[in-house]
Amino acid sequence: NAGVMQNPRHLVRRRGQEARLRCSPMKGHSHVYWYRQLPEEGLKFMVYLQKENIIDESGMPKERFSAEFPKEGPSILRIQQVVRGDSAAYFCASSRNSNRFPRTEAFFGQGTRLTVV
Amino acid sequence: GQNIDQPTEMTATEGAIVQINCTYQTSGFNGLFWYQQHAGEAPTFLSYNVLDGLEEKGRFSSFLSRSKGYSYLLLKELQMKDSASYLCAHKTLKSGGYQKVTFGTGTKLQVIP
Repeated sequence: NAGVMQNPRHLVRRRGQEARLRCSPMKGHSHVYWYRQLPEEGLKFMVYLQKENIIDESGMPKERFSAEFPKEGPSILRIQQVVRGDSAAYFCASSRNSNRFPRTEAFFGQGTRLTVV
Repeated sequence: GQNIDQPTEMTATEGAIVQINCTYQTSGFNGLFWYQQHAGEAPTFLSYNVLDGLEEKGRFSSFLSRSKGYSYLLLKELQMKDSASYLCAHKTLKSGGYQKVTFGTGTKLQVIP
């Protein structure tokens, strides 16, 4: 049972380009969270998705950022027209979240480290 | 997370015991997690408490008091490899039935010889 897979592990983009970050959840998990982590800081919630639905995007900037989790394929976090301040580690976590299983942990991927130059 | 407080940094000696505290304020509380994160790596799950009391798992124990909005992580017989950040996170039940996990900024623990 493979863990949460994120790719790429490292991504370098020039200012103004687009960044696409991918996250494949663990098998059997249909809930995905995206977090951003700046150096020496904690994890900041960005968005929570279920298959084909955005449940909570309260932590995601309104402009340039978007996320999706299609019926087939990985979840995608897309950052358009990147700026230097977007440089960070972006972590994806997945969970199996059902009322019958309240003790659910979120399992994290290895993260994508985005550097904007 | 703005409503989760934990110390920024701690230092402890190899072989000793250290307690990392976490206080939180939230509505719809539905459980508290502790994660370990080594520099440059993904967070890994350590413990989960939803009821008051102490949960022990080897060298690590976690305590929760729901009425006080307080938790701690206790690490015994510290080893050098325990040097990492320790993240406190709570799970809250939101309207619509989904559960949101919010993290604190983490406590960076340095274990010294």
